[in-house]
Amino acid sequence: GAGVSQSPSNKVTEKGKDVELRCDPISGHTALYWYRQSLGQGLEFLIYFQGNSAPDKSGLPSDRFSAERTGGSVSTLTIQRTQQEDSAVYLCASSASGTGAMNEQFFGPGTRLTVL
Amino acid sequence: AQSVAQPEDQVNVAEGNPLTVKCTYSVSGNPYLFWYVQYPNRGLQFLLKYITGDNLVKGSYGFEAEFNKSQTSFHLKKPSALVSDSALYFCAVRETGTASKLTFGTGTRLQVTL
Repeated sequence: GAGVSQSPSNKVTEKGKDVELRCDPISGHTALYWYRQSLGQGLEFLIYFQGNSAPDKSGLPSDRFSAERTGGSVSTLTIQRTQQEDSAVYLCASSASGTGAMNEQFFGPGTRLTVL
Repeated sequence: AQSVAQPEDQVNVAEGNPLTVKCTYSVSGNPYLFWYVQYPNRGLQFLLKYITGDNLVKGSYGFEAEFNKSQTSFHLKKPSALVSDSALYFCAVRETGTASKLTFGTGTRLQVTL
């Protein structure tokens, strides 16, 4: 079946502009995660959605970052007033429900964001 | 708080030789441990995980990892490396009972040469 998809694959924007990044999880997966991967650094957790529960937003670096998940499926990560330090690859992942802690996450190919 | 350390930025090995990529972790409870691989310009692919039971876990592409509770380690191993194994490898940990984020290490680049 289809894996996690993300769009766009690349996004170049000017400092101060807003951007929206989209993630389509694997069908039936109730958990969805956003991570950020910067050059030379590991993956930084941003936000986690599980079903209809309130999202875990503990990783969002500033109030310029927000995310939503509509209908328990597609998610959009929005970055307002982008800064150059926001340049990174943004990865989305999903995992099955149930005993969630044991389930591996399946990652999308990422969106490479470049802020000029 | 949970954390992961991958002490080597890069590991170089000749094809056919055994390889080890090191990972140590810190959690307050019992860990769930994962290894992922990232090929150039691609997302992360799941390799294997330790949940409970046998300390030696076998995964995709001939990789295996050994959980060592006393040393809080989860090193990735392969008996015979291939050039095609060259990639970036990430170790990750999650504390049992929490279905939230994975905490990743900074990654180790594996370079396998002929």
